[in-house]
Amino acid sequence: AQSVTQLDSHVSVSEGTPVLLRCNYSSSYSPSLFWYVQHPNKGLQLLLKYTSAATLVKGINGFEAEFKKSETSFHLTKPSAHMSDAAEYFCVVSDWEDTGRRALTFGSGTRLQVQP
Amino acid sequence: DTAVSQTPKYLVTQMGNDKSIKCEQNLGHDTMYWYKQDSKKFLKIMFSYNNKELIINETVPNRFSPKSPDKAHLNLHINSLELGDSAVYFCASSQIRTTGEDGYTFGSGTRLTVV
Repeated sequence: AQSVTQLDSHVSVSEGTPVLLRCNYSSSYSPSLFWYVQHPNKGLQLLLKYTSAATLVKGINGFEAEFKKSETSFHLTKPSAHMSDAAEYFCVVSDWEDTGRRALTFGSGTRLQVQP
Repeated sequence: DTAVSQTPKYLVTQMGNDKSIKCEQNLGHDTMYWYKQDSKKFLKIMFSYNNKELIINETVPNRFSPKSPDKAHLNLHINSLELGDSAVYFCASSQIRTTGEDGYTFGSGTRLTVV
């Protein structure tokens, strides 16, 4: 069975400082990994994805994430936070299950606050 | 030209009523999903359809019944609504390719409030 752990439920940074949102996963096969962002009262938007290509993945709005198989991590980073980055971020893993179907598992989310 | 659209955006209804949420995607994806997001923001899959065929049916009360008339549509019908059904329901679609996944595209959500 696969699982996702977002290590921080809440992260607060100052505008212009780096952002680090941590995510660890467990999976039996070859997972695909995603980061989604949800702004208040909005839907989920795909930030970036890892699907067995380059381990450093660049996404929208200056975000990037590095897939580290040895550490089973997929942390999300951004060099300089902007006020508009304040939102809920979800780490998501997708992999094959023993049942032969593909399953998507969400982390519990990390709320990012950006202080002026 | 919204990729995944769901209606209505907000739904307030009384306990015991029957309601439907509609979802349509214009991405040509083969697979569609319904997710429920609870008050703590946790997202849990409810159903998944691939080419109109049900492939995932998680432990969901049978008051919830998905209907997929074609691969571009996946509607969710809920009978005898209960207070605990209050949540945000997200529709999504995806396309799984041999090179991996394109990612899941989500609708903007339907906020259901049962009073």
